[in-house]
Order: sequence, then structure tokens, then C-alpha cells
Amino acid sequence: KAGVTQTPRYLIKTRGQQVTLSCSPISGHRSVSWYQQTPGQGLQFLFEYFSETQRNKGNFPGRFSGRQFSNSRSEMNVSTLELGDSALYLCASSLAALAGADTQYFGPGTRLTVL
Amino acid sequence: GENVEQHPSTLSVQEGDSAVIKCTYSDSASNYFPWYKQELGKRPQLIIDIRSNVGEKKDQRIAVTLNKTAKHFSLHITETQPEDSAVYFCAASIGNGQNFVFGPGTRLSVLP
Repeated sequence: KAGVTQTPRYLIKTRGQQVTLSCSPISGHRSVSWYQQTPGQGLQFLFEYFSETQRNKGNFPGRFSGRQFSNSRSEMNVSTLELGDSALYLCASSLAALAGADTQYFGPGTRLTVL
Repeated sequence: GENVEQHPSTLSVQEGDSAVIKCTYSDSASNYFPWYKQELGKRPQLIIDIRSNVGEKKDQRIAVTLNKTAKHFSLHITETQPEDSAVYFCAASIGNGQNFVFGPGTRLSVLP
């Protein structure tokens, strides 16, 4: 099976702009989670989508949003970009067949730089 | 909020020695604990995981132990090799679904 893919891999934006990142999960996986990774804050959970519904949400402002499509592909949007949004954005997919937490597989990430 | 502490932040060992990384979690309801290895410029890769109904799990040179009472879990790597050099992250599940809190990471250097 193909792994988790993310597009684009690199992105440069300026403050105030908005950006949309895309994640395609492993075939058959129904859950997609998004994380922000920075040197100072480590890996921080943004949100999780399962069957097109946001199931969990981390402590990020409303400028960060997402959605999931019927084929389980997910997009993440960040509006009104700030310098501090520069980070590696990782998505992770999981089968989520179990009632509890399930193994997550990460994509390669999108490196966002805000100037 | 929920928190995962991880120690040490950096660890240097000689090739062939063992390495141990320890994590402590705060949510007593956490029931799934994965460990990830992230090499420079690459995605985090799952190396081993453990569920709360198991005390220990081993996969070749890698093992994880869990102490639910003390709310801590540890990664053990034996016979370390230079290719084990990377940043290692522990994580603990919280709430329902795929919601995880990650530790800050341990940079492991295996010296030849």
C-alpha cells in the first residue's frame, strides 16, 4: 500500500495570507490527524477527522481549520498567517478500527515558511 | 492540560551499549503509548507501541515497559548501532479517538 502523502512539500507565504495543505491517508484508513512540529514546541496536536467529522481538537486558534472528504483525504487551512505559524505540518492516518487509540502513520510533512 | 515529560533530552552512547529513554504521562485514562523515531528531515516512524493491558513488549533490539501505577513508560534499545541515531518521541493517547500528547523528544547519538 502507498503511504501517507502530503502536498505541497514546501510552501512560502507572507503574513496575512492564507494557506491550504492536503493529506491523502493510507488506503482504507478513516482517521486523519494533523500536527504542528516546531523546534521550540515539539509535536502539537491540531485536530483529528474521522468519517468527515472533526472528532478531536487541540489548543490552536480558530485560524486553523480542517475538513475531510468522503474518500478520507483531508485538508488543513490556516488563515491570516503569522510568523509563528512557520513549522512542519504533519498529518497522520490510522485505520481507527478499534474503539480506542490506534496506530498512526505519518506523512512526510509540509514545510511552511511565513515571511 | 494533559502532559508527557520525556528524559533525557539528549543521550550519547557508545556503539554496542544500551540506551534508555523514560516518559511520564499525566492522564490516568491514557491506554496507548507509541514510540516514534525521527531522522533529520524525515517523517516520524513508529518503532514500537504498547497498550495499557500489557506491561512489556519487545521487538528484536527494542523493548518498551509500562508502569501504569507510576504512569511512566520507557524505551530500551540494546546493542545500539550508528543508524539508531535520531530523535525519539514518546506519546500517550488522551480522550477518545486519535488524540495524542507527545513528549518533547530525545536526541540519541550513537558514537562509533
